[in-house]
Amino acid sequence: DAGVTQSPTHLIKTRGQQVTLRCSPKSGHDTVSWYQQALGQGPQFIFQYYEEEERQRGNFPDRFSGHQFPNYSSELNVNALLLGDSALYLCASSLGWGRRAYEQYFGPGTRLTVT
Amino acid sequence: KQEVTQIPAALSVPEGENLVLNCSFTDSAIYNLQWFRQDPGKGLTSLLLIQSSQREQTSGRLNASLDKSSGRSTLYIAASQPGDSATYLCALYGLSGGSNYKLTFGKGTLLTVNP
Repeated sequence: DAGVTQSPTHLIKTRGQQVTLRCSPKSGHDTVSWYQQALGQGPQFIFQYYEEEERQRGNFPDRFSGHQFPNYSSELNVNALLLGDSALYLCASSLGWGRRAYEQYFGPGTRLTVT
Repeated sequence: KQEVTQIPAALSVPEGENLVLNCSFTDSAIYNLQWFRQDPGKGLTSLLLIQSSQREQTSGRLNASLDKSSGRSTLYIAASQPGDSATYLCALYGLSGGSNYKLTFGKGTLLTVNP
């Protein structure tokens, strides 16, 4: 049973560029949440997708956008990259939305470095 | 707004010692609390999940307690081993306001167990 997978593992981009990160949820899960973890900090919630719609959003600018596909996989897009976007991006999957989505399983993360 | 604080920020102990990690939170309207382990540069591994109606959970050498009224949780690690060295994160799944239906994390406690 495959857990949550993310690609790529590492990524180096230049300021102003755009990046797309990918996530496949754990088998049987239909909800995907994205988190940003800066060095030395706890993960911060970016947004959550269920039934191909963004259901919740944290305090992140519109440069951060996402998508969920019919097979429940998800993408995180970041436009106009800033140095401060350098972080570990974590994807978590769960079953259902709202109260049902409390048990989240995390992927290994994508390390993004912006130079 | 939910605030999660973890004390201490870092802890170094000799092998075999019993230890306690602390987590405090400001909003008791939570659905559950989860303790995670994170190895350097890696994703999150769930250790224990405590529902809001529960007082504690145990898994092997780990025991987590929850006191909603005082806004506190502790993670007790018995007979620590060098392999326990990692960052331990506390996260709450909220039921109100900006914390609704998402995980809010503390900054973590970096544990080093010396042989």
